[in-house]
Amino acid sequence: DTEVTQTPKHLVMGMTNKKSLKCEQHMGHRAMYWYKQKAKKPPELMFVYSYEKLSINESVPSRFSPECPNSSLLNLHLHALQPEDSALYLCASSPLAGDYNEQFFGPGTRLTVL
Amino acid sequence: AQRVTQPEKLLSVFKGAPVELKCNYSYSGSPELFWYVQYSRQRLQLLLRHISRESIKGFTADLNKGETSFHLKKPFAQEEDSAMYYCAPPGGSEKLVFGKGTKLTVNP
Repeated sequence: DTEVTQTPKHLVMGMTNKKSLKCEQHMGHRAMYWYKQKAKKPPELMFVYSYEKLSINESVPSRFSPECPNSSLLNLHLHALQPEDSALYLCASSPLAGDYNEQFFGPGTRLTVL
Repeated sequence: AQRVTQPEKLLSVFKGAPVELKCNYSYSGSPELFWYVQYSRQRLQLLLRHISRESIKGFTADLNKGETSFHLKKPFAQEEDSAMYYCAPPGGSEKLVFGKGTKLTVNP
């Protein structure tokens, strides 16, 4: 399996809901990433996990809570989101965290916050 | 911090014409640069990287340290090249920083 998968594809939630995004890869990659992409904008890095440990948090609000239960799985827990959090959330993985490693992206979860 | 500039938000060419998507970077060390592409309704994917010096789908990119540029070129554009193109330098030890992107449209 050489792809990053993300579920769900689409998610609509209210501001008081709690939901989770899931990302999975079976390429043996040890680095995983969450990005947020607004329409017609480039992806913006949110979190980096390296060897299942959080190594970078780009000052993301605490209503976004990442979790890496094992080397193949990455979750993003969502709680009390705002309408401006509506975006495409991309997961990526790379063999190792580092400048020169290609990142492999999932198809994204399109999130709408009402 | 590393920065990259993609001066053209939109670029439109006709099929068969040459195309050049510009990318200028600021980087004090020896840079590694990537071009990522996002076709309509497809996932973001690596197109090519400086260090490998490969030509992918007819695209090439040469690092010009004097001009601090990493422009993406293709001699004969095809309609299927229509996509969003992002230049991406490393942004630190574990980060990529994407440029604002250039939307390329190849007209028939």
